[in-house]
Amino acid sequence: QSVLTQPPSVSAAPRQRVTISCSGSGSNIGSNAVNWYQQLPGKAPILLIYFDNRLPSGVSDRFSASKSGTSASLAISGLQSEDEADYYCAAWDDSLNGVVFGGGTKLNVL
Amino acid sequence: QVHLVESGGGVVQPGRSLTLSCAASGFTFSSFGMHWVRQAPGKGLEWVAIISLDGRNKNYADSVRGRFTISRDNSQNIFYLQMNSLRTEDTAVYYCAREEGFVIKNFDYWGQGTLVTVSS
Repeated sequence: QSVLTQPPSVSAAPRQRVTISCSGSGSNIGSNAVNWYQQLPGKAPILLIYFDNRLPSGVSDRFSASKSGTSASLAISGLQSEDEADYYCAAWDDSLNGVVFGGGTKLNVL
Repeated sequence: QVHLVESGGGVVQPGRSLTLSCAASGFTFSSFGMHWVRQAPGKGLEWVAIISLDGRNKNYADSVRGRFTISRDNSQNIFYLQMNSLRTEDTAVYYCAREEGFVIKNFDYWGQGTLVTVSS
């Protein structure tokens, strides 16, 4: 059972827009930055979004994110087949004194 | 160019020990906190441990506290995860990751991972 809650999977057609939710609590999302990671099959994760909604250099602006209270969400617009991956939210948890991850969401591009 | 390279994984029996290493290059190693993150087969990411840039502060996930020890050698640009009393549930790919922001705690670079299999 992950500290942050994500849907196990989401699906959408190419060129559509999809959102992935991430729910936490006051000790993690409610108090600290949310970061998102993309993990392509068989690969190490890569940083997709940091500090709630900032894009690292080189990341497509088709990716965006937001946070409100103890929840966050990742949006991907103009879906492409190469976006098929697992997506994880993460945040520091002040109670656990460690990083907590969501369980991951598998994105299927139909 | 930042590189993180893990090594030391393998097959080990329950109750035995193993030490993982992560060699860093392409950046000023002593200026960054470092983490270990693991991923059991077919499962999600699980944070394991953190070590501060000077090595003075460390913390661990409850699942490994008391069994795992994180350390670093800034003179050699390398950090370690010593794993004792290994359990079958410790079987996972172990990634090392660089903490870009002390406050944000985002991992901007990851290693390729090293597989640890705990099995009799």
